[in-house]
Amino acid sequence: DSGVTQTPKHLITATGQRVTLRCSPRSGDLSVYWYQQSLDQGLQFLIQYYNGEERAKGNILERFSAQQFPDLHSELNLSSLELGDSALYFCASSFRDRGDEKLFFGSGTQLSVL
Amino acid sequence: AQKITQTQPGMFVQEKEAVTLDCTYDTSDPSYGLFWYKQPSSGEMIFLIYQGSYDQQNATEGRYSLNFQKARKSANLVISASQLGDSAMYFCAMREGSGGTSYGKLTFGQGTILTVHP
Repeated sequence: DSGVTQTPKHLITATGQRVTLRCSPRSGDLSVYWYQQSLDQGLQFLIQYYNGEERAKGNILERFSAQQFPDLHSELNLSSLELGDSALYFCASSFRDRGDEKLFFGSGTQLSVL
Repeated sequence: AQKITQTQPGMFVQEKEAVTLDCTYDTSDPSYGLFWYKQPSSGEMIFLIYQGSYDQQNATEGRYSLNFQKARKSANLVISASQLGDSAMYFCAMREGSGGTSYGKLTFGQGTILTVHP
């Protein structure tokens, strides 16, 4: 168990809809990273929040947004969904100890857009 | 240019044998980190091993070791004494720069599917 919690595990929705994916990082971790894994694009970094602030941005579409709340949980909002948004969405939190770096992933949310 | 290249789409190994999964990377930053993750069929991403660019010794974690050849820009994963449970997709990933507070921003390779035969 990585300690990173993601809900829901599965989400099925229709094109044009909006969904929210939720993530709770490991206790004490201030950063939350969102990744998308799709068959054609592979694993891609989307966005990072650190202690409530956006810190880094990757290949995130304008239709997607995220936020991190004071209790450090994060939500990824996907709107105007398209078939191509179907993917496995991961949340991760990071740990650095004496130069050793680890990134712990949640179990993911499998999004199916029909 | 691909930043992380995994040239082996699939690999097969006999149980109890060792296997090497290849990974080459491309960066001009002197400070970087290299990671290997395992993704079983259930879908979760499991951290295996980390190597920093300034680390003098190859990283090891139990049956996993990272064969780090800096001049060749390669970071191959060696799994010793393969087990049936090692059958999974394996990803190599890189973090460029020191990372600051964004050291979890990784670029991933396309992955290698490892199948362990009994």
